Amino acid sequence: EAGVAQSPRYKIIEKRQSVAFWCNPISGHATLYWYQQILGQGPKLLIQFQNNGVVDDSQLPKDRFSAERLKGVDSTLKIQPAKLEDSAVYLCASSLIRREYEQYFGPGTRLTVT
Amino acid sequence: GNSVTQMEGPVTLSEEAFLTINCTYTATGYPSLFWYVQYPGEGLQLLLKATKADDKGSNKGFEATYRKETTSFHLEKGSVQVSDSAVYFCALKDGGSQGNLIFGKGTKLSVKP
Repeated sequence: EAGVAQSPRYKIIEKRQSVAFWCNPISGHATLYWYQQILGQGPKLLIQFQNNGVVDDSQLPKDRFSAERLKGVDSTLKIQPAKLEDSAVYLCASSLIRREYEQYFGPGTRLTVT
Repeated sequence: GNSVTQMEGPVTLSEEAFLTINCTYTATGYPSLFWYVQYPGEGLQLLLKATKADDKGSNKGFEATYRKETTSFHLEKGSVQVSDSAVYFCALKDGGSQGNLIFGKGTKLSVKP
């Protein structure tokens, strides 16, 4: 089966610019997650969707980050405006409902903010 | 709050050596514990899990036992291979079906032939 797809794989932007990341989860996975992984640290959850509803966005910096999952499939994560400290790898993951412990991760998007 | 602490890396071993990567946790209640692995150029993937005290998770020759008395979940393998070179993340999930995963910082393992 196809895995979690993400694009782009790499992105370099200047601070105060905007950027968007796209994720396509594994077919049939109702739960979708966005994580931020800063160099040398483990992934940190930003937002969790179940179908097209938000389950947890307590760690999402809502003044600059936004995410949507229209139609309960693909998802987009946006940063506007970007700051230097947003430089990180942004990971998308998906899972079946009630199997949230078994998450399947995409390859990630490496964002560099200069 | 809940947290996971892993041993600092990188860890460099020769092929067929014994591996231990230490992981301890802090959590309220009774979390489930996991090891995820990230091979070079790939996404994280679940390696093994344990959902209650004294459970042993195992996969691909790796093992970890959920020790509630020491709040630990150390990863072990008796004989590592070059193909085991990767970054290993310990993680916990608090009780409740919608609890999110909390990851440690990861430990990079390099196995030399």
